[in-house]
Amino acid sequence: KQEVTQIPAALSVPEGENLVLNCSFTDSAIYNLQWFRQDPGKGLTSLLLIQSSQREQTSGRLNASLDKSSGRSTLYIAASQPGDSATYLCAVVTGANNLFFGTGTRLTVIP
Amino acid sequence: EAGVVQSPRYKIIEKKQPVAFWCNPISGHNTLYWYLQNLGQGPELLIRYENEEAVDDSQLPKDRFSAERLKGVDSTLKIQPAELGDSAVYLCASSFATSGANVLTFGAGSRLTVL
Repeated sequence: KQEVTQIPAALSVPEGENLVLNCSFTDSAIYNLQWFRQDPGKGLTSLLLIQSSQREQTSGRLNASLDKSSGRSTLYIAASQPGDSATYLCAVVTGANNLFFGTGTRLTVIP
Repeated sequence: EAGVVQSPRYKIIEKKQPVAFWCNPISGHNTLYWYLQNLGQGPELLIRYENEEAVDDSQLPKDRFSAERLKGVDSTLKIQPAELGDSAVYLCASSFATSGANVLTFGAGSRLTVL
């Protein structure tokens, strides 16, 4: 069974800092990898989707990379803002078209 | 567009009582998912529908959980009887494509507390 791990579990940074969130997965046979954001008491919002054939995707201040062979992905957030405070989840899609989620990284950006 | 709509948002019941959650997916989305999210954990798939067919229910505890998606649109998830360990957030999501390139849209979730 696919296992997805996210490190660190929690992270606090001062406003303006650049930061990196890490995601690793055990089975490299994936279709794609997605990064989600979850605010307290809310559902998940898709941030970026990287196809298995791609190396990275960018959206505004967010950049996600994928190294499928090593089973790793990173989410880079530039110039962090207090509004970025949330839990960030990565998920991989397997051949059964199911998403396997990590446990998330809870980010706090301090003004 | 309203997005994925779930109700109720919050439900508190005593153990052994039944409970039902409802999900209205995005119009035109043929795939619907129910996920369970425990506190501090990532969501875990309970059941996935393609149109009205349940194509993956391997993680659904069938002794007490049931789900249906009539006419391939709305879906309900039922628990009967509820146990203390069922306290969690139940998330519904939908997508259009059934390939590996689909992007899921999630509802806000239904938070269940079993006393």
